[in-house]
Amino acid sequence: AQKITQTQPGMFVQEKEAVTLDCTYDTSDPSYGLFWYKQPSSGEMIFLIYQGSYDQQNATEGRYSLNFQKARKSANLVISASQLGDSAMYFCAMRESNTNAGKSTFGDGTTLTVKP
Amino acid sequence: DVKVTQSSRYLVKRTGEKVFLECVQDMDHENMFWYRQDPGLGLRLIYFSYDVKMKEKGDIPEGYSVSREKKERFSLILESASTNQTSMYLCASSPHDRGLGNTIYFGEGSWLTVV
Repeated sequence: AQKITQTQPGMFVQEKEAVTLDCTYDTSDPSYGLFWYKQPSSGEMIFLIYQGSYDQQNATEGRYSLNFQKARKSANLVISASQLGDSAMYFCAMRESNTNAGKSTFGDGTTLTVKP
Repeated sequence: DVKVTQSSRYLVKRTGEKVFLECVQDMDHENMFWYRQDPGLGLRLIYFSYDVKMKEKGDIPEGYSVSREKKERFSLILESASTNQTSMYLCASSPHDRGLGNTIYFGEGSWLTVV
């Protein structure tokens, strides 16, 4: 079974509106971390936000927030007040407790297009 | 800022050629990684290294080898390039494990086409 599922290959949002990118995960490890990365057309993957499985509150970083629903095993990324520069591919990733940082599992990605 | 630099952004190589992809990081990170990115398949780990001269296979090591002679440099080698190795290759690094929130830092990627 796929460990990280991103069901939206592509998404469109109007500039200045909020958008939610979906991510569900599968693990039996009670201790894990969830990450979101942004990949612009230039290719570099940029770390956006992190949520630990034991964190009581949803993570926030500026306009990014992570809607963490542990029982549903979902970790959706919410981008508020979208900007044209937010157009990129977004990857959800999970790291389980017994793995090296680089052995995170990545989803297939969602391409976000922000329309003016 | 952490900087991970991949020496070549775009390469075109012929089938059977030996290909070297070089990666350098400037933050004294212990861990370095090579991923392959293909549409619909996300990122897949090829090899990683947690110390100089140390390496471990990732999920798709076949057809690849790596070299880490210095802490800051991690090379990916395609011994005999094939067309199914046409892809985007991403190098990354991270400091020694400090818990689950230890993020990884990526380079800009190398687009390899094998003809």
